[in-house]
Amino acid sequence: DGGITQSPKYLFRKEGQNVTLSCEQNLNHDAMYWYRQDPGQGLRLIYYSQIVNDFQKGDIAEGYSVSREKKESFPLTVTSAQKNPTAFYLCASSITSVGTDTQYFGPGTRLTVL
Amino acid sequence: QKEVEQNSGPLSVPEGAIASLNCTYSDRGSQSFFWYRQYSGKSPELIMFIYSNGDKEDGRFTAQLNKASQYVSLLIRDSQPSDSATYLCAVNCDSGGGADGLTFGKGTHLIIQP
Repeated sequence: DGGITQSPKYLFRKEGQNVTLSCEQNLNHDAMYWYRQDPGQGLRLIYYSQIVNDFQKGDIAEGYSVSREKKESFPLTVTSAQKNPTAFYLCASSITSVGTDTQYFGPGTRLTVL
Repeated sequence: QKEVEQNSGPLSVPEGAIASLNCTYSDRGSQSFFWYRQYSGKSPELIMFIYSNGDKEDGRFTAQLNKASQYVSLLIRDSQPSDSATYLCAVNCDSGGGADGLTFGKGTHLIIQP
């Protein structure tokens, strides 16, 4: 089956800890994205990557880091510098980075800070 | 600052009626427009996309775009209880250097009353 997988589905973090969220796709898509969704809110862009070994900050990149060493993988690290990390994190991908390309979403990771 | 505005609802529609969802956007450079459906606790799934002024129909769904008025809408005909969800409007602006991710509205909560 082709698709986007995210793990874990639920993640609990203690204050001061860094955690890494996994995102993998087997769709052969060039572009990948990370969004954050808070209750009752739309999605906000954290980071995006148009090609391997390259990525750009989105609207709310502070306290987050990413890497893109492989086309299939785009992990997101939530660092201790992120002051309010509790949210629903969504990874997406598109065939290319052209604006008309449709973005498809993974199932999401729900992060809770204890 | 790119903004996408939606009425948060809830919008209550009788089963079998037409549901009309509206969205306005601020960036005149926006080139592509997407409607996603999101069930509670789940990730967004694509319903429709539209790039050109006018109407685009797909089954029970019709997307309407008016770039002069910076307005995009989604009509759902013969509404079913399974259509009850939050509908997210998303806009993409490709400045020529590749897309920089979608800008989302906060979503409209639609309730179809049996």
